[in-house]
Parts: sequence; structure tokens; C-alpha cells
Amino acid sequence: DAGITQSPRYKITETGRQVTLMCHQTWSHSYMFWYRQDLGHGLRLIYYSAAADITDKGEVPDGYVVSRSKTENFPLTLESATRSQTSVYFCASSVPGRLNTGELFFGEGSRLTVL
Amino acid sequence: DQQVKQNSPSLSVQEGRISILNCDYTNSMFDYFLWYKKYPAEGPTFLISISSIKDKNEDGRFTVFLNKSAKHLSLHIVPSQPGDSAVYFCAATSGGSYIPTFGRGTSLIVHP
Repeated sequence: DAGITQSPRYKITETGRQVTLMCHQTWSHSYMFWYRQDLGHGLRLIYYSAAADITDKGEVPDGYVVSRSKTENFPLTLESATRSQTSVYFCASSVPGRLNTGELFFGEGSRLTVL
Repeated sequence: DQQVKQNSPSLSVQEGRISILNCDYTNSMFDYFLWYKKYPAEGPTFLISISSIKDKNEDGRFTVFLNKSAKHLSLHIVPSQPGDSAVYFCAATSGGSYIPTFGRGTSLIVHP
């Protein structure tokens, strides 16, 4: 049972480059999320998706693009990376029966450094 | 404007003692509260939750207390073990939006 996997786990890039972080889940969960974790800020929601082809902005969406053509994949793209986007990114998934009590299932994270 | 606040960035406790992690919230519409635990280089994992209609929920060594009038909840770990050393995130949801809002986290260190 692979669960939810993120790739790459570690990435170093330069300012202005495009970067895509991948997220894949094997549970067929309808909901998927992207959070970023920064010291002093905790976990902040970037984007989320309630189903394939349905996405919505979270608290900090600027500079990010998402898509969800298939239920199991939810890639996050930084179209032109900036140093302020250096962070640890977590993908998560859930289903309505668990989500209504706030329970998410997180991946292991992708640490992105923008030089 | 932070709706879920964890004002203590860190907490250090001796093994065997009680750990108390605190969380305050501002949104009176929150109806579910959760604690997540996160080890280094891993994703957060759900630990325990409580509905707003209750004031206590217990699961083994972990107990969450909710004081709605004070908009305050706490997580008690008794007895604390070195393996409990992790970052603990408080989170809350409301019926209008099931997506949890997280606090900034508290790093717990349990010394042997």
C-alpha cells in the first residue's frame, strides 16, 4: 500500500526557473491538498482540489499553479521560482468521511531550495 | 490574522512527566479540533481530535481538553516518552469549510 508519495523529496533550483512537485496517491481519495511549512508560520494551504478538474485557492496561492487531470495526481508548479518559495511542501489527501473531522493524510514532503 | 494560535514554539519535558501543549483559537465557528504530530523528514500524522460538543477526549496516553468559553484546547501526554519528541500542530475545522486551519506548531522534546 504505497499511500501518498511526493517527488522529488529534495530539489535545489535557481530563481526564475520553473519547478514542478509531484504528488501521487493510491487511495482514490477525492480531496487533495498542497501545504507549505515554514518556520514561524506552521502549515499554510496553497491549493486544494475536491475532485479531478476542480481546484481552488488556499491561503497562499500566489506564484503557484496546480492541475488535477486524474484523481490520483496533483502536481504543484512554481512557474518562476523565487527565494521566498524556499520551503518544505506537503501534499495531503482525504475523503469526505474523514475530512469532515479535519483528518488529512500527508506525504513525506518535498524540500525545495531556491537560490 | 491567525485563527489558530500556538504561542509556545517549544517545550522541554523530562521522561515520565506530563507534557501539556496549548492552543488558542479565535473563530467561534470551529466545530472540530485536531492535533497532528510530525517527526523530522516525515509528513504530519493525525493524532487525536475532539468535537466542539465535548470537553475531553482520551486515547491512551493522549488526552485533549476543550474549553469553548475560553476558546482554548490543550493536549496532555502522560507519561511522556522520548519517542514523543516531535512537532505538534493544533488544527481546527468548521462545518462551512472542512479544510483544517493549522497553528504554527510546538516542538516537544522529551529528555530521557
